[in-house]
Amino acid sequence: DGGITQSPKYLFRKEGQNVTLSCEQNLNHDAMYWYRQDPGQGLRLIYYSQIVNDFQKGDIAEGYSVSREKKESFPLTVTSAQKNPTAFYLCASSQGQGTEQYFGPGTRLTVT
Amino acid sequence: KNEVEQSPQNLTAQEGEFITINCSYSVGISALHWLQQHPGGGIVSLFMLSSGKKKHGRLIATINIQEKHSSLHITASHPRDSAVYICAVGYEKLTFGTGTRLTIIP
Repeated sequence: DGGITQSPKYLFRKEGQNVTLSCEQNLNHDAMYWYRQDPGQGLRLIYYSQIVNDFQKGDIAEGYSVSREKKESFPLTVTSAQKNPTAFYLCASSQGQGTEQYFGPGTRLTVT
Repeated sequence: KNEVEQSPQNLTAQEGEFITINCSYSVGISALHWLQQHPGGGIVSLFMLSSGKKKHGRLIATINIQEKHSSLHITASHPRDSAVYICAVGYEKLTFGTGTRLTIIP
């Protein structure tokens, strides 16, 4: 079965700790994306990568970091510098610019 | 003013009714996407269109580029259609609307 997996589904952390969210795809897609969703707001782009070993900041990259060492993997680290990290995080992938995006099931992060 | 606006924000209808959700955008686009988000949070892409109309089962999406407007229609609505429907526009980077929460009552 081809698709995108995100783990874990729920994640709890103490304030001040870094946390890494996993995103893996077996669709052979070149592009991968990380979005954040908050209640009452549209999805917002954190980082995206069009190709392995390259990535660009999205609209709300502050306090986050990513890596793209393998085509199938695009982990997101939420650092202690992110002021409001509690949110629902969605990973997506696509064949490239202007093509349909496929979304993972999401990770709900709660920081207390 | 948001670049992508959806209406209505919330919609409750009886099973079997014809549903229309609207999306207006203020930016130039290469494509418009309609997405469905179920209560668990996962998102499914329904349509990607840049002109005209697309149909998949009971779902129909239309777009008017001149008017910068798109509609998503659901015919013969069913309780399993209850979800949040999200409009997004863009090419390399997508801009998302805040979604329309649809509830279909049996």
